[in-house]
Amino acid sequence: AQTVTQSQPEMSVQEAETVTLSCTYDTSESDYYLFWYKQPPSRQMILVIRQEAYKQQNATENRFSVNFQKAAKSFSLKISDSQLGDAAMYFCAYRGVTSYDKVIFGPGTSLSVIP
Amino acid sequence: NAGVTQTPKFRVLKTGQSMTLLCAQDMNHEYMYWYRQDPGMGLRLIHYSVGEGTTAKGEVPDGYNVSRLKKQNFLLGLESAAPSQTSVYFCASSPLAVSYNEQFFGPGTRLTVL
Repeated sequence: AQTVTQSQPEMSVQEAETVTLSCTYDTSESDYYLFWYKQPPSRQMILVIRQEAYKQQNATENRFSVNFQKAAKSFSLKISDSQLGDAAMYFCAYRGVTSYDKVIFGPGTSLSVIP
Repeated sequence: NAGVTQTPKFRVLKTGQSMTLLCAQDMNHEYMYWYRQDPGMGLRLIHYSVGEGTTAKGEVPDGYNVSRLKKQNFLLGLESAAPSQTSVYFCASSPLAVSYNEQFFGPGTRLTVL
């Protein structure tokens, strides 16, 4: 069975600085998708970024980028130029091509942004 | 488009009472999911559906039942609520196509069982 681990329950970052959130996963599938979702205090889950395992190039969305290390089964999220609005829970998630019916979520990392 | 909506947003139950949570999506998505979110545990899958008339158990199905009579609706039922079911419940949907695989979430329902 697939698992997703986020080893940092809480993180903090100074406004305008850069922070990296860690995520590791375990799977025997060769093709899959990885996601970072953001959950602000409003509770609404929002997709931040996604990575397709067969693509070697790391995904980037504006200030958000990932470091995808397939061999190490690592998928970290880097937030550059942190803003107050980035304060939220961040969840790493896995969706296999073979196990497509289910999405596995990590326990989440709570990010605080210090003005 | 309203996206994914959930009814109600908040509810307080007494132990032993029953209730149904309604999830509706207007994006013609095949897949629908019910999760519960508890502190430190992320999102745990309760039940899911891969199409109208089909349902399957997720990671934590005990104490819950679901139905998908219409493609756009996914109902989550608690027959006899217990304090351990106090949680925030999220519904999500996604399309069938593997190449477009994002989940879309509702705003959540905060349920308290006394």
